[in-house]
Amino acid sequence: EVLLVESGGGLVQPGGSLRLSCAASGFSFSSNWIHWVRQAPGKGLVWVSRIIGDGTKTEYVDSVKGRFSISRDNAKNTVYLQMNSLRVEDTAVYYCTTYYASEVFDLWGQGTMVTVSS
Amino acid sequence: EIVLTQSPGTLSLSPGERATLSCRASQSVSGSNLAWYQQKLGQAPRLLIYGVSRRAGGIPDRFSGSGSGTDFTLTISGLEPEDFAVYYCQQYGTIPFTFGPGTEVDLK
Repeated sequence: EVLLVESGGGLVQPGGSLRLSCAASGFSFSSNWIHWVRQAPGKGLVWVSRIIGDGTKTEYVDSVKGRFSISRDNAKNTVYLQMNSLRVEDTAVYYCTTYYASEVFDLWGQGTMVTVSS
Repeated sequence: EIVLTQSPGTLSLSPGERATLSCRASQSVSGSNLAWYQQKLGQAPRLLIYGVSRRAGGIPDRFSGSGSGTDFTLTISGLEPEDFAVYYCQQYGTIPFTFGPGTEVDLK
């Protein structure tokens, strides 16, 4: 089965850290860019970051640059999002996503909720 | 950053009616890299259209996309009960990839 499964969300205080994981199965994981997209409660979708298949290239939206770091372990078919210096405005459902049968985001995980609050 | 604007914010229609959703970009979208997604409450987004007009796998032909440059349209030719949802456009030609704020299609 073709699947993405996120984990690692939770409640964290402002300034804290959290590491999200995205585990993939059923497709050629190491060939794909993997992306993170987030959605604050009641709000729209925001692209956060992406990493190339071999892990050598990463990109970020300006609002998380210097605080978030994306990485991957192709032996474990897993992508990580290390989130440091978390802010209240980082509160969101975080989805990992990639392309499977098209050229854009046709495969999504179920999302993991991150709540930043004191 | 390419800013996407969607209109209207809310579209109130009845089943069987035609829905026309607009997406306008602040600058030309490169390579026809424009997609549309459907999202229902509590669910991940679902890809409908990519490359402006190509339907994703399993998407019914009542969904169609058109446009070029900075102006794009998603048309649903006859609304089915399961089509009432929020729709987002996205450009994926320029980093950062950006999404529009969404159009909610609700039941009149």
